[in-house]
Amino acid sequence: GAGVSQSPRYKVAKRGQDVALRCDPISGHVSLFWYQQALGQGPEFLTYFQNEAQLDKSGLPSDRFFAERPEGSVSTLKIQRTQQEDSAVYLCASSLRQKGGDREDGYTFGSGTRLTVV
Amino acid sequence: AQKVTQAQTEISVVEKEDVTLDCVYETRDTTYYLFWYKQPPSGELVFLIRRNSFDEQNEISGRYSWNFQKSTSSFNFTITASQVVDSAVYFCALRPLIQGAQKLVFGQGTRLTINP
Repeated sequence: GAGVSQSPRYKVAKRGQDVALRCDPISGHVSLFWYQQALGQGPEFLTYFQNEAQLDKSGLPSDRFFAERPEGSVSTLKIQRTQQEDSAVYLCASSLRQKGGDREDGYTFGSGTRLTVV
Repeated sequence: AQKVTQAQTEISVVEKEDVTLDCVYETRDTTYYLFWYKQPPSGELVFLIRRNSFDEQNEISGRYSWNFQKSTSSFNFTITASQVVDSAVYFCALRPLIQGAQKLVFGQGTRLTINP
């Protein structure tokens, strides 16, 4: 597609429920990122993939959060046993990273999934 | 540790006024990228500009201009002759320019409202 697509757009979960958020990056983009944006705050880094390899997961707030990108394209962010503090917008971004260098033409973000835990 | 501070939480101006959004950053890295993003109500972050820390030339793109001053660790963004369509939340962000360092560190954002 022309942009980064995220689904669902909105998700309401009962506390304790597991959720799965999907990200379809731009075709051919090597790098994929997940960010969490709480209300009124800037996005905070969760995790980063280069192709199917998860190179940085230092931002995942707890072991309830898990991300995967098994074939190097679509990614899923899973949150187990959701808590109210998990309520936020989850943003996915992809980036074209030229082989052998650090040339990037900027990150392209999706519109996010707004998760509300009740 | 890296930190980006956008001290202005909200700004409201009348259309056609000029407005400057402030961004101050902290980093121990000698080389880094700085970014500005726009977040309209639809939610996606729209890339506006990326600057390298070793390039302090100011940049102008239409009504937008950016003033990078390494001496004061600031990367301010000015919109000239503002328009209602400029209303959005604007984020400044930082990323080290070293292999493997990919994550962006964002400021808290400035909500800009342009009133007709």
